[in-house]
Amino acid sequence: DADVTQTPRNRITKTGKRIMLECSQTKGHDRMYWYRQDPGLGLRLIYYSFDVKDINKGEISDGYSVSRQAQAKFSLSLESAIPNQTALYFCATSGGRSANEKLFFGSGTQLSVL
Amino acid sequence: GNSVTQMEGPVTLSEEAFLTINCTYTATGYPSLFWYVQYPGEGLQLLLKATKADDKGSNKGFEATYRKETTSFHLEKGSVQVSDSAVYFCALSIAIIQGAQKLVFGQGTRLTINP
Repeated sequence: DADVTQTPRNRITKTGKRIMLECSQTKGHDRMYWYRQDPGLGLRLIYYSFDVKDINKGEISDGYSVSRQAQAKFSLSLESAIPNQTALYFCATSGGRSANEKLFFGSGTQLSVL
Repeated sequence: GNSVTQMEGPVTLSEEAFLTINCTYTATGYPSLFWYVQYPGEGLQLLLKATKADDKGSNKGFEATYRKETTSFHLEKGSVQVSDSAVYFCALSIAIIQGAQKLVFGQGTRLTINP
């Protein structure tokens, strides 16, 4: 089983709909992250969480919200989806406190907003 | 600000060719540097890292040296294989208050190796 699991793998929705992407991890890590990947832009940080009581905005948080329901679960919501939120979304975790710690990524959720 | 610039792709090579993917960075402070690889249909995986100037990261035949004087972290491999076909991301990591890190990624370079 994967250490970082994202659901769904693919989702097609319409403009204005509410969408939730879910992420769960079995690594026991405190730190969890949501990134989006767009062609030619690399990955950009949406939100991150250090523990269940801590949520922080990343560089592109507008139009998104998150919930850290438990140490192992971190969900990303689009309250009212718009076409430019069409992207590949990745959840990631890390276990350490230093800047040298590697991130563990899920396999991604491809979201298409029509 | 902090940013990473990678050589534009896509890059197509024949098997056993020499590979270089250029990466330069701009950062405040002293970041750690990483190369992540993304195989088709998968998430990113750490390929190698270097945490201070002149460090060389290496893994699976790939190497990259942290060059502070040129602010570069170029990825190299002496003889590529078809299985190396993937998208490669250069990234820098900066510490955030409270001890967590923030990764800043380059735009990615798609590599295709032909038999």
